[in-house]
Amino acid sequence: DSGVTQTPKHLITATGQRVTLRCSPRSGDLSVYWYQQSLDQGLQFLIQYYNGEERAKGNILERFSAQQFPDLHSELNLSSLELGDSALYFCASSVGTPPNSPLHFGNGTRLTVT
Amino acid sequence: TQLLEQSPQFLSIQEGENLTVYCNSSSVFSSLQWYRQEPGEGPVLLVTVVTGGEVKKLKRLTFQFGDARKDSSLHITAAQPGDTGLYLCAGAQTGKLIFGQGTTLQVKP
Repeated sequence: DSGVTQTPKHLITATGQRVTLRCSPRSGDLSVYWYQQSLDQGLQFLIQYYNGEERAKGNILERFSAQQFPDLHSELNLSSLELGDSALYFCASSVGTPPNSPLHFGNGTRLTVT
Repeated sequence: TQLLEQSPQFLSIQEGENLTVYCNSSSVFSSLQWYRQEPGEGPVLLVTVVTGGEVKKLKRLTFQFGDARKDSSLHITAAQPGDTGLYLCAGAQTGKLIFGQGTTLQVKP
């Protein structure tokens, strides 16, 4: 058990809809990362927050947004969903930032857009 | 363009065989990490290599960081079915951890 909790585990929704994925980091970890994993793209970095502030941005679409709350949990919002958004979404947390701090991953949320 | 290229992408071998997985880049990294991911779970860190030329061993797994810190390899000796999984290398760049596409390893009993 990595200590990182992601909910829900599975999500099935229709195109055009909006969903929110939730992540609770390991106790004591200040950094939260979001990754998208699909068969053809591998594990793609979306965004990182550190102690409530956005720290780094990757290949995150404008339809996607995230935030980290004062209690350090994070939410990833996906809107105007398309079929191609179907993927596994992972949250990870660490004490600091790479490369000095290893990432601890949750078990992911599997999103299916129909 | 993938920053980190892993090869091979897929590997299916018999129990007891040896194998090597490669992770290559044109960029220099301050460190490289190797993760293993099993179905239905998130990646789990195996090792971090920091110094060029560094070799680290984890039981039957040997990790090497290239002298120029642009590449790394993972060698598994006498593979077992329990080694089956997705092996990912990752490098830190501007505070972000970038992953390779991964190598899917299947070890048949």
